[in-house]
Amino acid sequence: GESVGLHLPTLSVQEGDNSIINCAYSNSASDYFIWYKQESGKGPQFIIDIRSNMDKRQGQRVTVLLNKTVKHLSLQIAATQPGDSAVYFCALLLEGQLTFGSGTQLTVLP
Amino acid sequence: DGGITQSPKYLFRKEGQNVTLSCEQNLNHDAMYWYRQDPGQGLRLIYYSQIVNDFQKGDIAEGYSVSREKKESFPLTVTSAQKNPTAFYLCASSIRPLTGDTQYFGPGTRLTVL
Repeated sequence: GESVGLHLPTLSVQEGDNSIINCAYSNSASDYFIWYKQESGKGPQFIIDIRSNMDKRQGQRVTVLLNKTVKHLSLQIAATQPGDSAVYFCALLLEGQLTFGSGTQLTVLP
Repeated sequence: DGGITQSPKYLFRKEGQNVTLSCEQNLNHDAMYWYRQDPGQGLRLIYYSQIVNDFQKGDIAEGYSVSREKKESFPLTVTSAQKNPTAFYLCASSIRPLTGDTQYFGPGTRLTVL
């Protein structure tokens, strides 16, 4: 099976700083990875994805890094804003199903 | 305005009652999914459907049932056999099943058993 873990359940950053959220996975056969953002009481919102043939992908203010050697995935948010406060979790595709991590609560401090 | 809708947003039921959660999508997606979310845990898959009139059990299907009579609709019934039904339920859809297509989520239904 697949296990997915996030390194920290909570993360606090100052507004304007960069945030880094990390995710570790166990099965090297995973070939598709997604980061979701979930605000309180709402459904998860797609942020960015990456396939295993890449090691970096950039979006608007977000970057996902994939290190297949150590089976590690990270989400970097540049210039963190109050609206970025939410739970972030990674999801991995394996054998047609997504496995989700438990999430990191990001709090942006004024 | 395309998307996934779930209703109701909040739902209360008494023990021993069955309750049905609605999920509708107008994205023309083939695949639809139901997840359960509990505090401090990742999403767990209840059921998924790859195509109309087909559905498969996920990791925690016991006490739940689904139907997929229309492409747009994938209702979930929480039966009295589900021992701990209080949770946040999320419906999702993707263009195709079992591939690297992104799953898009609805706003969720919070079910509370009184």
